[in-house]
Amino acid sequence: GQQVMQIPQYQHVQEGEDFTTYCNSSTTLSNIQWYKQRPGGHPVFLIQLVKSGEVKKQKRLTFQFGEAKKNSSLHITATQTTDVGTYFCAGILTGGGNKLTFGTGTQLKVEL
Amino acid sequence: DSGVTQTPKHLITATGQRVTLRCSPRSGDLSVYWYQQSLDQGLQFLIQYYNGEERAKGNILERFSAQQFPDLHSELNLSSLELGDSALYFCASSARGQGIHEQFFGPGTRLTVL
Repeated sequence: GQQVMQIPQYQHVQEGEDFTTYCNSSTTLSNIQWYKQRPGGHPVFLIQLVKSGEVKKQKRLTFQFGEAKKNSSLHITATQTTDVGTYFCAGILTGGGNKLTFGTGTQLKVEL
Repeated sequence: DSGVTQTPKHLITATGQRVTLRCSPRSGDLSVYWYQQSLDQGLQFLIQYYNGEERAKGNILERFSAQQFPDLHSELNLSSLELGDSALYFCASSARGQGIHEQFFGPGTRLTVL
């Protein structure tokens, strides 16, 4: 079964509202990557986190890696219509071989 | 533009048929990955090649096979196609190992099996 889950599956927000997606793994992750896929497009790399408790920021986006390295979050402050898309986390599961496992994704829609 | 190219963009075929999807990685990238994306299964890792050698295998069916050639381009072969194989197939490349470097995705090949 799916080992990396994301919640929520869908999120509709008004432009200017904040948005958060959570990524949870059944096992410890060696690292976590985040990708964004625009409608009709392909996944595009956003960031990689490696250390326990790591926090990184990219303008309005804040990424966190949990202390136990089993969860992560992406928070967008004051969403804009350009933030529309599906956000995926992806990580190497400890003991899972050399395979990047993608999360189930969170689809974000931003309304004016 | 990620620098990864995939052909064809769209492919429509019938059940039982065989197709080949092609991918050219970014210049200098040694690793190539294949993913399947369908509405109900999300983004599923199929297989990875590194400098011509198979490096990791995911949920790839026995009907599917892949290879990476000396010029580093890769092909994904899908045979005895079934309706459920209809999906978007992405190729991605990275400098080296999976999960260590970011992956650059191609535009994908949309396969429709009728």
